[in-house]
Amino acid sequence: DSGVTQTPKHLITATGQRVTLRCSPRSGDLSVYWYQQSLDQGLQFLIQYYNGEERAKGNILERFSAQQFPDLHSELNLSSLELGDSALYFCASSVDGALRGGELFFGEGSRLTVL
Amino acid sequence: GESVGLHLPTLSVQEGDNSIINCAYSNSASDYFIWYKQESGKGPQFIIDIRSNMDKRQGQRVTVLLNKTVKHLSLQIAATQPGDSAVYFCAENNPTDKLIFGTGTRLQVFP
Repeated sequence: DSGVTQTPKHLITATGQRVTLRCSPRSGDLSVYWYQQSLDQGLQFLIQYYNGEERAKGNILERFSAQQFPDLHSELNLSSLELGDSALYFCASSVDGALRGGELFFGEGSRLTVL
Repeated sequence: GESVGLHLPTLSVQEGDNSIINCAYSNSASDYFIWYKQESGKGPQFIIDIRSNMDKRQGQRVTVLLNKTVKHLSLQIAATQPGDSAVYFCAENNPTDKLIFGTGTRLQVFP
């Protein structure tokens, strides 16, 4: 158990809908990262937050947004969903804002299926 | 968090043999590299890392080799066990401090 909690584990929705994925980082970790894992793209970095502020942005679509709350949990909002958004969405956390890879702890992911 | 279904290259090895998983990275300025293991139903887990000022690093049953000349990284697993069956990802930390993952290799261990 990495200590990172993601909900829901599975989510099925229709095109055009909006969903929210939630992540609770490990106790004491200030930084949260979101990754998308799809069939043909591997793990794609979406966005990083550190202590409530956006720290880095990757290949995140404009239809997607995220935030980190004062209690450090994070939410990833996906709107106007398309079939191609079906993927596993991983949250990871680290103690500080510097990405040193080995200090990233991943949750078990949220599997989104868009029908 | 399963990775079953990903369209990945697959390496099949017999239990007890050594495994070598290869990875090509993209950015010659990347200075830190990591191997992750993703078991079915779980998120990626850190295995071993290496900095660009090294060309080899050993862990418990695993060795990572870095060849900066050809931007190549490999993970060697000694005496592969059934519990090693998973998808393995290499990742590079590029100068913008983003962790970029490779597409992954599925390791299958058969008795």
